[in-house]
Amino acid sequence: SAVISQKPSRDICQRGTSLTIQCQVDSQVTMMFWYRQQPGQSLTLIATANQGSEATYESGFVIDKFPISRPNLTFSTLTVSNMSPEDSSIYLCSVRGGGLASYNEQFFGPGTRLTVL
Amino acid sequence: LAKTTQPISMDSYEGQEVNITCSHNNIATNDYITWYQQFPSQGPRFIIQGYKTKVTNEVASLFIPADRKSSTLSLPRVSLSDTAVYYCLVGDIGTGGFKTIFGAGTRLFVKA
Repeated sequence: SAVISQKPSRDICQRGTSLTIQCQVDSQVTMMFWYRQQPGQSLTLIATANQGSEATYESGFVIDKFPISRPNLTFSTLTVSNMSPEDSSIYLCSVRGGGLASYNEQFFGPGTRLTVL
Repeated sequence: LAKTTQPISMDSYEGQEVNITCSHNNIATNDYITWYQQFPSQGPRFIIQGYKTKVTNEVASLFIPADRKSSTLSLPRVSLSDTAVYYCLVGDIGTGGFKTIFGAGTRLFVKA
């Protein structure tokens, strides 16, 4: 299995500011993903973080709003830019493949709870 | 990706067997069926995965009929700690760019 840590675990931010969320994995992984989950709702995939190249974004999400970095096989960041209250959500990092025992299983971090005032 | 349909919520009592059925009428030949469990304030956790017939592990069983248009997650003798949201996902895991897309899930409430 994979141990995934996210920083910060939670934050309260003012509208118009930006927050960068870090995701660290204890093993090298092939694929890293970022999801958003609003209270009481299911998870929505934001983007796939590609090592050494631009992230691949899902419909409704753009790089200017959610810039993503992935400098190596164990680390990624997601920035929520120019925040508004609608960005209040839990943001989760997820990984699959690489050094993990099963390529078919996807592992999730504990999430970052963001509140925008 | 094949669309999945699950009951929104289910109630059960401790010690009972719980069966959650997922419909995926448009499942493709190469698609696998995967179930995840999510507790409050945690990320989802992989439970079980299968292609056809029956799969069993230490947590659950997964029953898949021959036409594969549905699947049933079976949780034996549930306890209060099994209260969670259960997600059914369908996709071609053999594809390098396979993305795990979540549906609405089923909220299971286990009562004492």
